[in-house]
Amino acid sequence: EDQVTQSPEALRLQEGESSSLNCSYTVSGLRGLFWYRQDPGKGPEFLFTLYSAGEEKEKERLKATLTKKESFLHITAPKPEDSATYLCAVQPIYNFNKFYFGSGTKLNVKP
Amino acid sequence: DAGVTQSPTHLIKTRGQQVTLRCSPISGHKSVSWYQQVLGQGPQFIFQYYEKEERGRGNFPDRFSARQFPNYSSELNVNALLLGDSALYLCASTTSGGGNSPLHFGNGTRLTVT
Repeated sequence: EDQVTQSPEALRLQEGESSSLNCSYTVSGLRGLFWYRQDPGKGPEFLFTLYSAGEEKEKERLKATLTKKESFLHITAPKPEDSATYLCAVQPIYNFNKFYFGSGTKLNVKP
Repeated sequence: DAGVTQSPTHLIKTRGQQVTLRCSPISGHKSVSWYQQVLGQGPQFIFQYYEKEERGRGNFPDRFSARQFPNYSSELNVNALLLGDSALYLCASTTSGGGNSPLHFGNGTRLTVT
């Protein structure tokens, strides 16, 4: 069964304290892995797409990496405005119309 | 450019009632998907439509139905509402039905069933 597990569920950081969020996935064949940011009361906002193991994408203080079993979202020197829930989703090859989402990591960055 | 728009933003219904949620995709996007997000969980897939045809359905009962119109906008209908249907309903659009395009989400409709 296709499954996405994110850890930790919640993470509290001091401003400037770098860390990583984990997304472990089980899927028969991976078409793409997607990272989203979701602010309270809003819809998820697209951040990155990763397609194959070894691929990396960067945007400002965020860097996403992908292996055959998991993806990491590295946050370097975070700021309070990075506080949000970060969601990971996988798109299977055989059923590419359906995205499987994890439950997210709620990040809180304190000034 | 306008993003995905959903209406209404909030809705309160009573058990047993029916509800219709509406979605307008990003201009040029022909595929619309619907997701249900319960508080504290990730979005769960309900339907995907492309060129007015259903291309995918998640594990939801037949009380849930949807359709897509010639202008690519979409409606999600839920009949015989249950308390457990209370959630944020998200609409997402993509450029095509089967490519590698990411989902672009609207801000959702918050449905409360009492």
